[in-house]
Amino acid sequence: NAGVMQNPRHLVRRRGQEARLRCSPMKGHSHVYWYRQLPEEGLKFMVYLQKENIIDESGMPKERFSAEFPKEGPSILRIQQVVRGDSAAYFCASSGENMNTEAFFGQGTRLTVV
Amino acid sequence: GIQVEQSPPDLILQEGANSTLRCNFSDSVNNLQWFHQNPWGQLINLFYIPSGTKQNGRLSATTVATERYSLLYISSSQTTDSGVYFCAVSGNTPLVFGKGTRLSVIA
Repeated sequence: NAGVMQNPRHLVRRRGQEARLRCSPMKGHSHVYWYRQLPEEGLKFMVYLQKENIIDESGMPKERFSAEFPKEGPSILRIQQVVRGDSAAYFCASSGENMNTEAFFGQGTRLTVV
Repeated sequence: GIQVEQSPPDLILQEGANSTLRCNFSDSVNNLQWFHQNPWGQLINLFYIPSGTKQNGRLSATTVATERYSLLYISSSQTTDSGVYFCAVSGNTPLVFGKGTRLSVIA
């Protein structure tokens, strides 16, 4: 039973480019969460999605960041016109019945903006 | 929103020693999880423990929800226990993480 799958594991982008991060939840899970971790810091919540719906995006920057979880396929976190400050580890998690059931995390995507 | 505080922020142990990590939270919760982030950055689930006590090998955890704290016990520590231990809670929002306890176990 595969866990939460994220790809790519590492992503290097030049300033101004777009970054697309993908997340496939655990089998049977319909709740997906994205978190960002800056070096030497904890994880900060960004967005909570269910299939075709954004449930809570209170942690998402207002500009350049967007997320989706389509009916078919993985969840996508998209960062447009990346800046150096976007360099971080981005983690995806999934849970089953609701946000209070156990969440499992993927291995993360480490984004470096040069 | 809910606040999560972990203590101590840093901990250095000799191999074989025991330790207790603490997590305080500011409001009632429906979910509490402990994670270990290893030196490679991977987040490993340790316990899903909104209340009560659980044990898994050398690790155990206790959550006293009415007093808004949880404890993680590590016994007979090993160098592979090194990393950062995070507590995360959810109530009306998705998981909120504490800043973690950075554990270094030296041989």
